Amino acid sequence: DTGVSQDPRHKITKRGQNVTFRCDPISEHNRLYWYRQTLGQGPEFLTYFQNEAQLEKSRLLSDRFSAERPKGSFSTLEIQRTEQGDSAMYLCASGSGPYGYTFGSGTRLTVV
Amino acid sequence: AQSVTQLDSHVSVSEGTPVLLRCNYSSSYSPSLFWYVQHPNKGLQLLLKYTSAATLVKGINGFEAEFKKSETSFHLTKPSAHMSDAAEYFCVVSEGSGGSNYKLTFGKGTLLTVNP
Repeated sequence: DTGVSQDPRHKITKRGQNVTFRCDPISEHNRLYWYRQTLGQGPEFLTYFQNEAQLEKSRLLSDRFSAERPKGSFSTLEIQRTEQGDSAMYLCASGSGPYGYTFGSGTRLTVV
Repeated sequence: AQSVTQLDSHVSVSEGTPVLLRCNYSSSYSPSLFWYVQHPNKGLQLLLKYTSAATLVKGINGFEAEFKKSETSFHLTKPSAHMSDAAEYFCVVSEGSGGSNYKLTFGKGTLLTVNP
């Protein structure tokens, strides 16, 4: 068990560019979540996968955002045409049941 | 729908004195409740969780929390604060099997400052 890995740790991009983040969950976990945390706030739910199926998306996830989890393993979160308001920490978590969640260290996105 | 209210955005204590971080929740189903801690530039770490067993839950680093259904509260306490406890603390609710997909809903956080 190597924990939840997120890559990259930091990303600086120019407004209008596309970015993609990766999350590698704990291998036996079938649930995977993406959250966004802005400065001074708690993490906010973005989307959820059970295996490869994306079962829920928050209204925070505009059409510029897309997430995938091919084969129910790693997941990617892509943001197209980034805006300054997208600057945040993007957190991934995985779980195997109702009580076990492990968070990654996050990807900090800065849009300039 | 589930929600969490952390009643204090900032709590300041002296080292060696008790800590109380307050949390109220709202849930349509029997909730699971958690406290997470986040140190500066670090990831989220689980302190403790309530999952409908004992109402008094003991966690790591001397923290504990009591689930009070009648008050819809899940306050976090520690008898004696240590300098290393200075961090952001999040109260979190999940609606479990009666709710949607076990997703976690976070409060806005309480910043704990520990003074020497």
